[in-house]
Amino acid sequence: QVQLVQSGAEVKKPGASVKVSCKASGYSFTSYGISWVRQAPGQGLEWMGWTTTYNDNTNYAQKFQGRVTMTTDISTSTAYMDLRSLRSDDTAVYFCARFRRDVETIASWFDPWGQGTLVTVSS
Amino acid sequence: DIQMTQSPSSLSASVGDRVTITCRASQSISRYLNWYQQKPGRAPKLVIYTSSKLQTGAPSRFRGSGSGTDFTLSINNLQPEDFGHYYCQQSYSPPYTFGQGTNLEI
Repeated sequence: QVQLVQSGAEVKKPGASVKVSCKASGYSFTSYGISWVRQAPGQGLEWMGWTTTYNDNTNYAQKFQGRVTMTTDISTSTAYMDLRSLRSDDTAVYFCARFRRDVETIASWFDPWGQGTLVTVSS
Repeated sequence: DIQMTQSPSSLSASVGDRVTITCRASQSISRYLNWYQQKPGRAPKLVIYTSSKLQTGAPSRFRGSGSGTDFTLSINNLQPEDFGHYYCQQSYSPPYTFGQGTNLEI
């Protein structure tokens, strides 16, 4: 079955970087993009950006421009999200999701999602 | 950025009820609107995509509608497993913004 499995929880100090991985299985990895969404404790969902998987084209939310890098490794069907200069308000669960796009329209959606990775930023 | 506003923010209902959640976009997004269900401690799950298309495996009691700026998610014959948070999300243009969520309590 289609599945995305993320790396484990991380604890980082302010100013540090974190790299979260997302390993895909059950489908052709290069046929879909990967998007990243985060959720602060008790809060809603925030889209961070997405990346293609065949040529590493990216589209980042303005809020994260300059601090985030999304990459993929097609040899292992794994996507990565690297977030730098961490602050306490980056404490959140980070989700990856397969980014599906309709072939005839601009419609897109996220399905399925990884289980989430808790990143805690604390001194 | 396109702002997405959901109402109500929380909703209490009983098994067998019909409930409706609304989502309004700050500008027209055609039919490019998705709905997700999230249970505590779990990842979101796609329920409806492109306003009215039922995701494979989602129960037929879920129904989405709307276009332009106003959208609704209806759940008929509410079941105990339908509790959780529901989020709308626009896919018209990046950043792909979400509504603030609706907490459905059974």
